[in-house]
Amino acid sequence: GESVGLHLPTLSVQEGDNSIINCAYSNSASDYFIWYKQESGKGPQFIIDIRSNMDKRQGQRVTVLLNKTVKHLSLQIAATQPGDSAVYFCAEDSGNTPLVFGKGTRLSVIA
Amino acid sequence: DAGVIQSPRHEVTEMGQEVTLRCKPISGHDYLFWYRQTMMRGLELLIYFNNNVPIDDSGMPEDRFSAKMPNASFSTLKIQPSEPRDSAVYFCASRGLAGYEQYFGPGTRLTVT
Repeated sequence: GESVGLHLPTLSVQEGDNSIINCAYSNSASDYFIWYKQESGKGPQFIIDIRSNMDKRQGQRVTVLLNKTVKHLSLQIAATQPGDSAVYFCAEDSGNTPLVFGKGTRLSVIA
Repeated sequence: DAGVIQSPRHEVTEMGQEVTLRCKPISGHDYLFWYRQTMMRGLELLIYFNNNVPIDDSGMPEDRFSAKMPNASFSTLKIQPSEPRDSAVYFCASRGLAGYEQYFGPGTRLTVT
């Protein structure tokens, strides 16, 4: 889930298992959410997005779930692969131009 | 499109020296963002531009930091004088007018000794 403080939470998953990464967002007025993946030595890369009028969206091996009641966002990765190892950030857009990024969660895939 | 381009990719400098980081956004994008990323503070927004005009620079740490965007295809982030605590990875990102997604460059890893 989201970090509170200086330490990046880490999720360790066995290769082939499903991963669930959680995010608590802050602004109930946010109407657009994005998940980014950041691999070591690279910039964050777009994975999947969802609008506030949806509660689920699926991509290739990834699913994003949105629960507006509790301001919670999750990213599910099916059949996790070693290449999925990275830091994952959620970001929200509340109408102000810059996205607001969470602290990130490190996903470590055990082969 | 080549994506957002940043240079240099790595910069090592001594305390007190001037550092200039460069960014070329994706062609046609109206917004440009500068971020700093550290282990301690995560990803921090420093400043962003819309149509080459600075809109919000409240994230710029102090007067030693300045950013310019002289045209739609080029922006610089300057640190003068640099200090060891400025060591971080600096990202540039751009965004089109119609979408929400920000596209990030590969970053510049700055080390100030």
